[in-house]
Amino acid sequence: ILNVEQSPQSLHVQEGDSTNFTCSFPSSNFYALHWYRWETAKSPEALFVMTLNGDEKKKGRISATLNTKEGYSYLYIKGSQPEDSATYLCAFPHETSGTYKYIFGTGTRLKVLA
Amino acid sequence: NAGVTQTPKFQVLKTGQSMTLQCAQDMNHNSMYWYRQDPGMGLRLIYYSASEGTTDKGEVPNGYNVSRLNKREFSLRLESAAPSQTSVYFCASSLDRVGGYTFGSGTRLTVV
Repeated sequence: ILNVEQSPQSLHVQEGDSTNFTCSFPSSNFYALHWYRWETAKSPEALFVMTLNGDEKKKGRISATLNTKEGYSYLYIKGSQPEDSATYLCAFPHETSGTYKYIFGTGTRLKVLA
Repeated sequence: NAGVTQTPKFQVLKTGQSMTLQCAQDMNHNSMYWYRQDPGMGLRLIYYSASEGTTDKGEVPNGYNVSRLNKREFSLRLESAAPSQTSVYFCASSLDRVGGYTFGSGTRLTVV
């Protein structure tokens, strides 16, 4: 059974703090690693697609890095704002019998306190 | 460009009733998926369809059936709803392993 693990499960930070979370995934048969942002009562929205070892992607105050050899990705938020409060999911495409489906982590729930 | 469209957005059913959740995508994606989201459980895969004409079970298929009507549409049917099926249901589609998912807006289903 493949596992995509995220840590921590949840955290609270003060406005202005920087924070980071981890996604661990199987390092074999790597195709891509996806990060999503999921706000309450909405559907998940794509943040980053990471495909190459050493990749670093950035969108505003949010950035992500990728290490495919050791099977982890970090998501960083610099200067957290209340609107960053959401669940951050990572997903790993897994192929079986010629088809693939995405395996999701259980997410990191971030609450930014004003 | 509508992306992934799910209907209905909300539904209340009585135990034993049946209903079909509809999902359509206009991005020419090959694969489509149905997930349910329950508090503390994350997203759990119910069924998926890698291509038109094929469907496969996910983690939690019991109590559900699916139909991949054509490349655009993938429906989820509850034949005899149970309170345990109260959940938020998401449809998603993807082009390939690298492109990631596009999600629908979700259906909040309550079975009483």
